[in-house]
Amino acid sequence: GAGVSQSPSNKVTEKGKDVELRCDPISGHTALYWYRQSLGQGLEFLIYFQGNSAPDKSGLPSDRFSAERTGGSVSTLTIQRTQQEDSAVYLCASSLGQDGGYTFGSGTRLTVV
Amino acid sequence: GQSLEQPSEVTAVEGAIVQINCTYQTSGFYGLSWYQQHDGGAPTFLSYNGLDGLEETGRFSSFLSRSDSYGYLLLQELQMKDSASYFCAVRDPGGFKTIFGAGTRLFVKA
Repeated sequence: GAGVSQSPSNKVTEKGKDVELRCDPISGHTALYWYRQSLGQGLEFLIYFQGNSAPDKSGLPSDRFSAERTGGSVSTLTIQRTQQEDSAVYLCASSLGQDGGYTFGSGTRLTVV
Repeated sequence: GQSLEQPSEVTAVEGAIVQINCTYQTSGFYGLSWYQQHDGGAPTFLSYNGLDGLEETGRFSSFLSRSDSYGYLLLQELQMKDSASYFCAVRDPGGFKTIFGAGTRLFVKA
């Protein structure tokens, strides 16, 4: 696609429920990244994909968080048993390679109540 | 580990010039990037410096001094629409991720 597309744009969920966040990167971009941004804060790295593999998962905050990427394209970030501290904007970005700038999606605003 | 420091807020007047500084500590270095983010929007890539010196793109310029572990973003002829947060970022040489600073919130006043 023309840009990085994320869905849903907003998600309100009850504590303890599972959520899935989707990212559709720019066509042909092999690198895909997930970041998290709390209100007024910087960007916290979660995970990096090169193709379908994830060589860097070091930012996932707990085993409740997982992500996959299929066909070298769409990625899904899953949060199990959501907690209130998971509330944040989850941003996805893609790039042609590791160098150069990232193109970010508009994010998914997750609110856990 | 990697860390970046930048001022939390900067205020300037429309039409003026403003400089946002960034200092970094990294075990290796693969270049300094800058991103702009408007409230409620996605971060947008502005510039990348891999080597020392000044890179200019329209009203925006970015500078890097690797010997000083320092860079800055220079915004000229400020416009109200430049009010946003600006993040400096470095790539983690030990992995594949980009580390972002906490961001500088720029307020442009009339």
